[in-house]
Amino acid sequence: KAGVTQTPRYLIKTRGQQVTLSCSPISGHRSVSWYQQTPGQGLQFLFEYFSETQRNKGNFPGRFSGRQFSNSRSEMNVSTLELGDSALYLCASHRDSNEKLFFGSGTQLSVL
Amino acid sequence: GNSVTQMEGPVTLSEEAFLTINCTYTATGYPSLFWYVQYPGEGLQLLLKATKADDKGSNKGFEATYRKETTSFHLEKGSVQVSDSAVYFCALRLMGGYNKLIFGAGTRLAVHP
Repeated sequence: KAGVTQTPRYLIKTRGQQVTLSCSPISGHRSVSWYQQTPGQGLQFLFEYFSETQRNKGNFPGRFSGRQFSNSRSEMNVSTLELGDSALYLCASHRDSNEKLFFGSGTQLSVL
Repeated sequence: GNSVTQMEGPVTLSEEAFLTINCTYTATGYPSLFWYVQYPGEGLQLLLKATKADDKGSNKGFEATYRKETTSFHLEKGSVQVSDSAVYFCALRLMGGYNKLIFGAGTRLAVHP
């Protein structure tokens, strides 16, 4: 059974640009969550989608957005990139019937 | 607010030593508690969980007990191996919080032969 797939694995962008990250959940999982991991702030919850609807959101500015498609794949977008957005972005999928989240390996975003 | 506090690392141990990583939490209501592990270059993996007071989670020789009276969920292992070297994260999920996890800062463990 394939795990959670995140693409791309690495990204380099410059300040002011925008970026889109992709996450394909495990087959049958309808919930996708996104987290930002940085050395300074640790792991912080961005948002969660379930059946194409955002049902939970963390404390991030509106530059961070996401969406989920009918096949449960999810994308997150960051507009007007800032240096502080450099981080590992992790996606997790969940069947929604138990407590276990399955994490992908993440997308490492570097903003120059 | 709701938060998780972990002991600072890195923790350096010799193989077969006893491991304890402290974790305390602040939360409203009755959260579920988790330990996740992150190996180099990989995402997080659930190590163990406990969903109510006095529950003990266990997996791969690791254990943690949900102590509501001390708001703690300390991770222990009787004999660590080199392959246990990783970063360990304590986390909580609030009741009704769907899949939003609140993580501690993480504790890096290095085990030497």
